[in-house]
Amino acid sequence: GEDVEQSLFLSVREGDSSVINCTYTDSSSTYLYWYKQEPGAGLQLLTYIFSNMDMKQDQRLTVLLNKKDKHLSLRIADTQTGDSAIYFCAEGGGANNLFFGTGTRLTVIP
Amino acid sequence: NAGVTQTPKFRVLKTGQSMTLLCAQDMNHEYMYWYRQDPGMGLRLIHYSVGEGTTAKGEVPDGYNVSRLKKQNFLLGLESAAPSQTSVYFCASRSRYNEQFFGPGTRLTVL
Repeated sequence: GEDVEQSLFLSVREGDSSVINCTYTDSSSTYLYWYKQEPGAGLQLLTYIFSNMDMKQDQRLTVLLNKKDKHLSLRIADTQTGDSAIYFCAEGGGANNLFFGTGTRLTVIP
Repeated sequence: NAGVTQTPKFRVLKTGQSMTLLCAQDMNHEYMYWYRQDPGMGLRLIHYSVGEGTTAKGEVPDGYNVSRLKKQNFLLGLESAAPSQTSVYFCASRSRYNEQFFGPGTRLTVL
């Protein structure tokens, strides 16, 4: 399968910005996604970006895509304790499935 | 509109026992998926279906079978459970806009 890599942990203070990074290998992916998983729950789609875009902003979320380096990032502005969760990046776009990273556990310190 | 539901939420099996996990979606989606989630490994695709009556293997299909007899249901079967199948299982369905909607998960322990 494709390789999607993320760092496992990130800690930030409440009110600071969080940046979660992801690298992927499949340059043919049409979409790249960010999902959020809260404890004991399934994954919830946060946002996605088309592969022909460099940036997408959605309220406190900013997604940056560097296709040359196959690097995707998710910035959360003014991080709140409710943002504590595991964040997964995923690539896909074909008829079939998504390839997920290992997830980054974000801890927000009050 | 319940989205994607999964039953059961928890299950403990002994090695060699069988069980079926049920996934249901009420969004009329064609595509459905079964993933397993293990610590430090993200989600891995077990099997998927692109429509009623069709199924296909994913990344880690061994030891599992699936059926999609009705569009809204996708069943995952374990014929002879093994401890390596201890995991959290997620079902998902996909909209035509490529968004995957996930169920709440089934936590399975095989002793």
